[in-house]
Amino acid sequence: GAVVSQHPSRVICKSGTSVKIECRSLDFQATTMFWYRQFPKQSLMLMATSNEGSKATYEQGVEKDKFLINHASLTLSTLTVTSAHPEDSSFYICSASLAADRGTDTQYFGPGTRLTVL
Amino acid sequence: AQSVTQLGSHVSVSEGALVLLRCNYSSSVPPYLFWYVQYPNQGLQLLLKYTTGATLVKGINGFEAEFKKSETSFHLTKPSAHMSDAAEYFCAVSEGAGNKLTFGGGTRVLVKP
Repeated sequence: GAVVSQHPSRVICKSGTSVKIECRSLDFQATTMFWYRQFPKQSLMLMATSNEGSKATYEQGVEKDKFLINHASLTLSTLTVTSAHPEDSSFYICSASLAADRGTDTQYFGPGTRLTVL
Repeated sequence: AQSVTQLGSHVSVSEGALVLLRCNYSSSVPPYLFWYVQYPNQGLQLLLKYTTGATLVKGINGFEAEFKKSETSFHLTKPSAHMSDAAEYFCAVSEGAGNKLTFGGGTRVLVKP
């Protein structure tokens, strides 16, 4: 149980284009989803927290107009990197909280999406 | 504010030897503590967690961790390393009640035959 998927696993795009990454909870309803960014050989940096049906809460320093997050349902959140540039190249990982784990802050992580912007 | 320090960015152990990964945290309230493992080009997998109750927590793959409040530590151990344990390990803390996770810098484990 508590499986989270991401699509695509890898994406290469040209500078200036937009890229959408999907995060799905496959066998549970996620009250909250999180988006992280991970640079090579570094830890995870939280970008934003999203709750179904409400606006995402972005961490300080994260441009909300560049990284658009939509949490349309209890099983799907999307991250759109708008007008991507080479510096946006990174490993993006989503996670989800299980309603049954409410209060324990346990997060279940997706497999990640590697974005390369040329 | 909460924070996590993982001592040692790289640890090398021999197959069959003890694995010890150190994690110290800072939190203004009783913390929730987690260990996650990440294999190359993959997401994170939960190894174990401490929220309340017994301070010695057993997780998957033979790992366990002990919450020591007096030392603000949550070190991860495994009695006998296996080649498949080679991965990156992250310690994380939250202050509960829907708060976000804060991750340590990670420790990369290399297992030598």
